[in-house]
Amino acid sequence: ELKVEQNPLFLSMQEGKNYTIYCNYSTTSDRLYWYRQDPGKSLESLFVLLSNGAVKQEGRLMASLDTKARLSTLHITAAVHDLSATYFCAAGARGSQGNLIFGKGTKLSVKP
Amino acid sequence: DAGITQSPRHKVTETGTPVTLRCHQTENHRYMYWYRQDPGHGLRLIHYSYGVKDTDKGEVSDGYSVSRSKTEDFLLTLESATSSQTSVYFCAISYGQEGETQYFGPGTRLLVL
Repeated sequence: ELKVEQNPLFLSMQEGKNYTIYCNYSTTSDRLYWYRQDPGKSLESLFVLLSNGAVKQEGRLMASLDTKARLSTLHITAAVHDLSATYFCAAGARGSQGNLIFGKGTKLSVKP
Repeated sequence: DAGITQSPRHKVTETGTPVTLRCHQTENHRYMYWYRQDPGHGLRLIHYSYGVKDTDKGEVSDGYSVSRSKTEDFLLTLESATSSQTSVYFCAISYGQEGETQYFGPGTRLLVL
């Protein structure tokens, strides 16, 4: 059974600092997703990672995937207040017809 | 918004009453999903559909049923609502292609008293 664990669950950062959110999954997965959710809003897709060593970057966010370690990371560079949100990772089990298992989310607060 | 709407957006109901939530898409996506979001649990899949009249259970399907009679509509029914079904419900869609993300609707807040 595929399980997804994120840490930390809460993260308070100062503007300008760097930090990393970790996403571990328990069994083989062929795809890993990162989403962002603002309070009271829907989920917005950030990244899709499909292969070992995949790295994607958008602005101050960079996501990577290590399938051997069953680990994905979301790295935040020089955080700004606008990045405050909850970030979810989700993994899809092989042959699961697109079903995703989500982590519990990391609530990020960036303070001036 | 990827052409997804959910209705109603907010609903308050009483324990034991039936409730139907609707997800409507305009993008002709093959796959549609219903998730629930609860504090401390992230999102959990309830049911999904991979075509008209083709549905399957997800992680937390007990107490829920679904129907999809048209490509664009996916209905989630709580046969007899319970307080434990108080949640935010999200619909999502995808074409089902390899590596494709899922696009989420705006959500429905359901309160069962």
